[in-house]
Amino acid sequence: DQQVKQNSPSLSVQEGRISILNCDYTNSMFDYFLWYKKYPAEGPTFLISISSIKDKNEDGRFTVFLNKSAKHLSLHIVPSQPGDSAVYFCAASQRSTSGTYKYIFGTGTRLKVLA
Amino acid sequence: GAVVSQHPSRVICKSGTSVKIECRSLDFQATTMFWYRQFPKQSLMLMATSNEGSKATYEQGVEKDKFLINHASLTLSTLTVTSAHPEDSSFYICSARQSPRRGEQYFGPGTRLTVT
Repeated sequence: DQQVKQNSPSLSVQEGRISILNCDYTNSMFDYFLWYKKYPAEGPTFLISISSIKDKNEDGRFTVFLNKSAKHLSLHIVPSQPGDSAVYFCAASQRSTSGTYKYIFGTGTRLKVLA
Repeated sequence: GAVVSQHPSRVICKSGTSVKIECRSLDFQATTMFWYRQFPKQSLMLMATSNEGSKATYEQGVEKDKFLINHASLTLSTLTVTSAHPEDSSFYICSARQSPRRGEQYFGPGTRLTVT
């Protein structure tokens, strides 16, 4: 049962244009969301996060939008650069039975920015 | 920024042997560490959560006797794959967090395990 879904496995965007990566979730108890970027054979690196009490968070070229009623979040990258080419994972926070917060990751979207 | 290291980065072992992977937080104290496994073109699958000084909490379907996790100090967690089989071949990634509550997780670079 995939609680966090990224339905687009890949996305190609021209350099300088906007990249929009989407993520859907099913669990309404999730209250904190994150986006990570991952290069092959490396661990993910944190990009940006958003709490469920907000609907937008911006950090430089990266903006995350949250639509709680639709259980949907998106990551916008403007302008896109070739160095942004990577796999992007969204993650949602869930409290485990031990009381620790754990993150549930989506399946990832491979972004390719074309020069 | 916070740095998490993993050792080894790559390991090849024979079927039936055990392999230990180390995860260290280099410049912060990690009260909570996580172990993930990633199959090719698939998501990061959380295997277990470990809090320093206590037993790890394993996710459903993960064999605790096969994947032994130890978090003996605030900067070190180890994952031991016991009696490895070819189907255990995968990319194993650890992450660390300063607090058991929400917050940024810092990931290690991963360990590629190949069991022959």
